[in-house]
Amino acid sequence: DAEITQSPRHKITETGRQVTLACHQTWNHNNMFWYRQDLGHGLRLIHYSYGVQDTNKGEVSDGYSVSRSNTEDLPLTLESAASSQTSVYFCASSDRQGYEQYFGPGTRLTVT
Amino acid sequence: DAKTTQPTSMDCAEGRAANLPCNHSTISGNEYVYWYRQIHSQGPQYIIHGLKNNETNEMASLIITEDRKSSTLILPHATLRDTAVYYCIVRVRAGGGGGADGLTFGKGTHLIIQP
Repeated sequence: DAEITQSPRHKITETGRQVTLACHQTWNHNNMFWYRQDLGHGLRLIHYSYGVQDTNKGEVSDGYSVSRSNTEDLPLTLESAASSQTSVYFCASSDRQGYEQYFGPGTRLTVT
Repeated sequence: DAKTTQPTSMDCAEGRAANLPCNHSTISGNEYVYWYRQIHSQGPQYIIHGLKNNETNEMASLIITEDRKSSTLILPHATLRDTAVYYCIVRVRAGGGGGADGLTFGKGTHLIIQP
């Protein structure tokens, strides 16, 4: 069965370190998205991609970057982790029509 | 995207129909109504979407008023596993670039199914 996976599921890192969160989907979807979720907030969009070599900034993109070298993967990089980036991160994908987004299980990131 | 208003929380007895309202009075003609839910500690899950007609699938029914200013998600026979936060989202189907834009999540309705 097709799926979307994220790794690691839990990560603790120190302030200032570079961190990369992986997202892999086997739906062959064109569109991929990264969101973060904090207590008291709904999910907020960080970055998204419509296809290979395409990336776009979302609502809260400062301090994050993505790259899309193939259809299946959209890794999210925190260039220099800050305590404000402690959050749960969700990856999602959808086909070109975009009616339904499929979400991964999430990565809980703690920056100390 | 149009703004949505949902109650913060609702209770429903197990086995009864759960009716979750959503107000979207500023909805535009090309905007769809989507419903997602998020069970504790999991990623959001798509439930249903509609433009102006009522819709039904294996999970739920979506009733959209004729003026499209509000809608109701109906879970016909709620179970304990339906306890979750339910998000009503209004957006166009796809962005101008041909791809689908990200979703804008509010705080949703925390639905608690009581045994």
